[in-house]
Amino acid sequence: AQSVSQHNHHVILSEAASLELGCNYSYGGTVNLFWYVQYPGQHLQLLLKYFSGDPLVKGIKGFEAEFIKSKFSFNLRKPSVQWSDTAEYFCAVIAPRWANNLFFGTGTRLTVIP
Amino acid sequence: NAGVTQTPKFQVLKTGQSMTLQCAQDMNHEYMSWYRQDPGMGLRLIHYSVGAGITDQGEVPNGYNVSRSTTEDFPLRLLSAAPSQTSVYFCASSRQGDTEAFFGQGTRLTVV
Repeated sequence: AQSVSQHNHHVILSEAASLELGCNYSYGGTVNLFWYVQYPGQHLQLLLKYFSGDPLVKGIKGFEAEFIKSKFSFNLRKPSVQWSDTAEYFCAVIAPRWANNLFFGTGTRLTVIP
Repeated sequence: NAGVTQTPKFQVLKTGQSMTLQCAQDMNHEYMSWYRQDPGMGLRLIHYSVGAGITDQGEVPNGYNVSRSTTEDFPLRLLSAAPSQTSVYFCASSRQGDTEAFFGQGTRLTVV
């Protein structure tokens, strides 16, 4: 069965610290991977996506993610976080059994302390 | 360009009541879907549609009905609300062949 695991439930960092959020998926076929962000009280917004090609994907607001096929991972990174990055982050994969709708991980809450 | 619009933003229901959550998009997207978001569980797919007149079940469809009579609208119906349906509901749309989904602002539903 398809699944997405985000092992960090809540991460607390000080401003300027580096960030890495883990995402592991289980799916045997071709995967399309996403990171979405939800700022407090807002809807989900796309941070970045990987379909094919360069496994290092750059997204908005200085975020990047690396697809490592051998590890079934798609970790999100940012070299230096800001207070405004406080949000919940969701990793997601395409679910072909649902006409390519998204299958989400449980999310990681990031709190950045000024 | 409004994107995906959900109404209402907040709703309180009594157990057993029915209601419809509205979702409309103005991007002419073929695909529309409903998710519920619960603490510690991420977003789970309730129902989805790949075009007008076509709907199907997602991961957690029980207790919900949908219909898609037009490309623009995809309402979600709760026939008899239960406390377990207390959640935040998000509607999303995407273009066929482009899996980037655009989300509405969400509806926070409380069933007492």
